[in-house]
Amino acid sequence: DIQMTQSPSSLSASVGDKVTITCQASQDIRNFLNWYQQKPGKAPKLLIYDASTLETGVPSRFSGSGSGTDFTLTISSLQPEDFATYYCQQYDKTFGQGTRLEIK
Amino acid sequence: EVQLVESGGGLVQPGGSLRLSCGVSGFTVTSNYMSWVRQAPGKGLEWVSAIYSGGGTYYADSVKGRFTISRDYSKNTLYLQMNSLRPEDTAVYYCARLFEYNSLPVDLWGRGTLVTVSS
Repeated sequence: DIQMTQSPSSLSASVGDKVTITCQASQDIRNFLNWYQQKPGKAPKLLIYDASTLETGVPSRFSGSGSGTDFTLTISSLQPEDFATYYCQQYDKTFGQGTRLEIK
Repeated sequence: EVQLVESGGGLVQPGGSLRLSCGVSGFTVTSNYMSWVRQAPGKGLEWVSAIYSGGGTYYADSVKGRFTISRDYSKNTLYLQMNSLRPEDTAVYYCARLFEYNSLPVDLWGRGTLVTVSS
């Protein structure tokens, strides 16, 4: 089975900061990588699919890159509503363990 | 309105069974790829099972042989039959629709239903 490893597991940042979250697959998954945002008590929300395609309605400050085994999610300028937990997912299967983004 | 509404969660004893339902509105359950994802209290997301439009079914190793995913065209509903439940199956179970594109992302989620396995 393919394992997904996210880092860091938690991150403190300030409004306006640029942050990067990484996700590593245990084997080549081409670009079959999705990113989600989840806020407490809510269902996850799709941000990016196919590693770099922005879901409709998602702000352009979010971007994704990578292929093969190494992927990144970048938020160019943090907004107050971005403080949440972020998950990567390979294809429609395994999720990473999550990255909790907190206000510094 | 396009939406997913889960039901059927609750408290069940270890070794017991439960069937979750996901009522689908705004599209046809049998024409789409559908999935169940769970989240244990305070933990991350875990993929559980999927059923594709052609009828193929897939399961996580942790539930294989115990859980069964199915769907009903006439009721436009997705199901998850859960048998031989264990305390580690305690979680919020989300019903999800997959966008049929390369990486099959979840583009629609339900609100979830809580399953608690405890004596």
